[in-house]
Amino acid sequence: GIQVEQSPPDLILQEGANSTLRCNFSDSVNNLQWFHQNPWGQLINLFYIPSGTKQNGRLSATTVATERYILLYISSSQTTDSGVYFCAVSGSARQLTFGSGTQLTVLP
Amino acid sequence: DVKVTQSSRYLVKRTGEKVFLECVQDMDHENMFWYRQDPGLGLRLIYFSYDVKMKEKGDIPEGYSVSREKKERFSLILESASTNQTSMYLCASGRGGAGDTQYFGPGTRLTVL
Repeated sequence: GIQVEQSPPDLILQEGANSTLRCNFSDSVNNLQWFHQNPWGQLINLFYIPSGTKQNGRLSATTVATERYILLYISSSQTTDSGVYFCAVSGSARQLTFGSGTQLTVLP
Repeated sequence: DVKVTQSSRYLVKRTGEKVFLECVQDMDHENMFWYRQDPGLGLRLIYFSYDVKMKEKGDIPEGYSVSREKKERFSLILESASTNQTSMYLCASGRGGAGDTQYFGPGTRLTVL
């Protein structure tokens, strides 16, 4: 099956700092997504990003499919950005394969 | 807004008990999924379903079964709970097809003593 690796596993930032999260995957995929899990456990989709770059407020995501990785940028981080960020991909099957996540803590 | 609900937020059971985790979605989605989440392992797919009465094994189906008698409801069953099934269980639903995302319930934290 598809292997998905996320880095870094943990990240601590001061409020206002910028960060980049990375997700590498092992095979050709056609469905690339980023999710955020808040400290209470709720998972919410942030981006579906099959190609190129998308922006949503302070967050943006970029796909480099030829090199098999995707990036998530967080600018001017806020304490509410804390939580776990997961990337998820799928190939020919419809189910998603998730990475192990990046635990982000933003300090006030 | 899509709503996915799970029957319990926290559950404590004893080894050997039969455990039912219920999930209900209100958006008429064809696809429903059960995952477990463990520290450092991300989300791992247990079972999924593309239609009523249909089920497919995910990556870690051992020790679990599922039931989908109605489109909106997908149940996860632990026939004989064991301590290594202590985990966070997440249900999700989606329409399916390229680019479709999944909508998650709040999760059930199960502890097996």
